[in-house]
Parts: sequence; C-alpha cells; structure tokens
Amino acid sequence: AQKITQTQPGMFVQEKEAVTLDCTYDTSDPSYGLFWYKQPSSGEMIFLIYQGSYDQQNATEGRYSLNFQKARKSANLVISASQLGDSAMYFCAMREEDSSYKLIFGSGTRLLVRP
Amino acid sequence: NAGVTQTPKFQVLKTGQSMTLQCAQDMNHNSMYWYRQDPGMGLRLIYYSASEGTTDKGEVPNGYNVSRLNKREFSLRLESAAPSQTSVYFCASSGRTGGAYEQYFGPGTRLTVT
Repeated sequence: AQKITQTQPGMFVQEKEAVTLDCTYDTSDPSYGLFWYKQPSSGEMIFLIYQGSYDQQNATEGRYSLNFQKARKSANLVISASQLGDSAMYFCAMREEDSSYKLIFGSGTRLLVRP
Repeated sequence: NAGVTQTPKFQVLKTGQSMTLQCAQDMNHNSMYWYRQDPGMGLRLIYYSASEGTTDKGEVPNGYNVSRLNKREFSLRLESAAPSQTSVYFCASSGRTGGAYEQYFGPGTRLTVT
C-alpha cells in the first residue's frame, strides 16, 4: 500500500538560510508522482513542485527544489533563501499513475522562519 | 477564472443533522476530489470522481455520500452528522491545466458538529 512519511513535525530556519524538509514514500508501483504543497495559516493549499518517478533530473521551481533519491525512496523539499512568508505547513504527497490522479498525503511539517 | 469554489465556508451542525457541501470548478477538469483535514494532520481522501458519471470511495468514506452532478460540480453530503466529522473539508480538481496534473484546491469548509 502507498504511504508517505514526514518525520519532522516542526522545523525552524533563520531567514535567508536554506532548509530541507524530509519526505519518504513507499509504493510498489514503478510509475508515480511526488508533490509538495504549502498550507499557510490562511488555510489554502498551494501547489509548489512536482517530480515524476521517471524524471532524470531533480525538479526545481524558483527557490524550491526537490531532492529526489529514488533508491532511498525519498523526495525532500529544499527551500533556499528562506523568507518570512515561507512560514507554513508543508505537505508531501504521492500519486500512483492511474486514471484517477488521486493523492496520498503525509502528515506535514510546520516550518517557522525566524527573522 | 475562479478555479475551485466551495460553499459554505463555515458551518455548525447539531449531531444528526444533514447537509451538503458544494464544490464547483471552472477549469474543465475531469477529476474531482473531497478531502478532510483534521487538526495537525494531512489530508485524507473521502471520495473522488475520476470522470463525469463516476465516483469511488477513498480512504475515509464512511458517513458520506457524493454526487458528481456534471463535469463542473461535485457535492459531498453528510446524511447524519456526528462530532467525529468535525473537520476542514477541501474539494480539489485535477486535469490538463497543470502539466503535472496537479490538484487545485478550493478554500475549504470548516465544519463543526456539536
């Protein structure tokens, strides 16, 4: 069965520093996708970045990058040059590539950026 | 484009009451989803609709029913609300808008059952 594990309930980072949020996953399907979403205190879910299981390179979107280590089944989110507005909950999610496109979410990591 | 809209934003129900949460998307997406988020937890899938005319159970379907009214609308019904259904409910849709077929979420409905 699919499973997503985020082992860091909370993290602190100093403004302008980089931070890594951990995510490990478990699936027997060779084809899958990995996502990161941000949930600020206002509650909305914001898509950040996507990595496909067959993608050769790590995904990047601006200050976000995904450190994809397939053999270790990890998909860590790296945020560079943290900003105060990065303070939020971050969720890792996985999708098996069937026609439903449904997601399984991890429990999340709360990131607090210190000025 | 409004994206994904949900109504209502807030609702308080008494145990045993029923209600329907409405969701609509204007992105021409085939797939739609209902999730619940309990405090300090990730989202759990209640029901989904891979395409118009189909619905399937997710991880936590008990106590809920859904209707995919048309391609745009996907409603979630609580027939007899229980305190355990106090949660934030998110509707989402997925389709060709995003290259990764990522899900786009509505703003959520905060439901309290007393």
